[in-house]
Amino acid sequence: AQSVTQPDARVTVSEGASLQLRCKYSYSGTPYLFWYVQYQRQGLQLLLKYYSGDPVVQGVNGFEAEFSKSDSSFHLRKASVHWSDSAVYFCAASWLVASSSFSKLVFGQGTSLSVVP
Amino acid sequence: EAAVTQSPRSKVAVTGGKVTLSCHQTNNHDYMYWYRQDTGHGLRLIHYSYVADSTEKGDIPDGYKASRPSQENFSLILELASLSQTAVYFCASSDLVNQDTQYFGPGTRLLVL
Repeated sequence: AQSVTQPDARVTVSEGASLQLRCKYSYSGTPYLFWYVQYQRQGLQLLLKYYSGDPVVQGVNGFEAEFSKSDSSFHLRKASVHWSDSAVYFCAASWLVASSSFSKLVFGQGTSLSVVP
Repeated sequence: EAAVTQSPRSKVAVTGGKVTLSCHQTNNHDYMYWYRQDTGHGLRLIHYSYVADSTEKGDIPDGYKASRPSQENFSLILELASLSQTAVYFCASSDLVNQDTQYFGPGTRLLVL
């Protein structure tokens, strides 16, 4: 079955430091890939998405992600984090459900990011 | 100008009682979704709908019903609430072409006692 795994439940980084949040997917083909962010007590917001082409995609607020087919990964990066980046980050992938036009979004478990002074 | 709103934002329910969660979107989107989020888990799809008066089962539909009376409104119904249904519930919407770019509401925190 298709799945998305985020191996790190919690990550703490210092303000100004670089960041990488890991994501791996399991699927025989290439899904569409996404990163969503959830600020405290809010709904999820789309950060960036990958459909095809350049494996490095840019998102909002200086975030980028790199797709690797060989590694089945889609890691999120940021060069310099700010305290306002503290949130829960979800990696997600979508696949077309067989015999339908429905494209299902499957989420990873989420990584809680804390940015400390 | 929130495009997806949910009510109530939080609720305490008793075991065996009926709970209705409501969602309203002003995105003019065809698709609407209900997810539940549990601590340490990602979002899991309960029900979805791509047109008014029709709903489809997601990955975890047991114990839940859904209703889509209009394009803008999508409800999630727990006929007999159970302790295991304590969670945060999110509604989302998307258009037909970009289904996987979903717009989420702020969530409803449900506590079943």
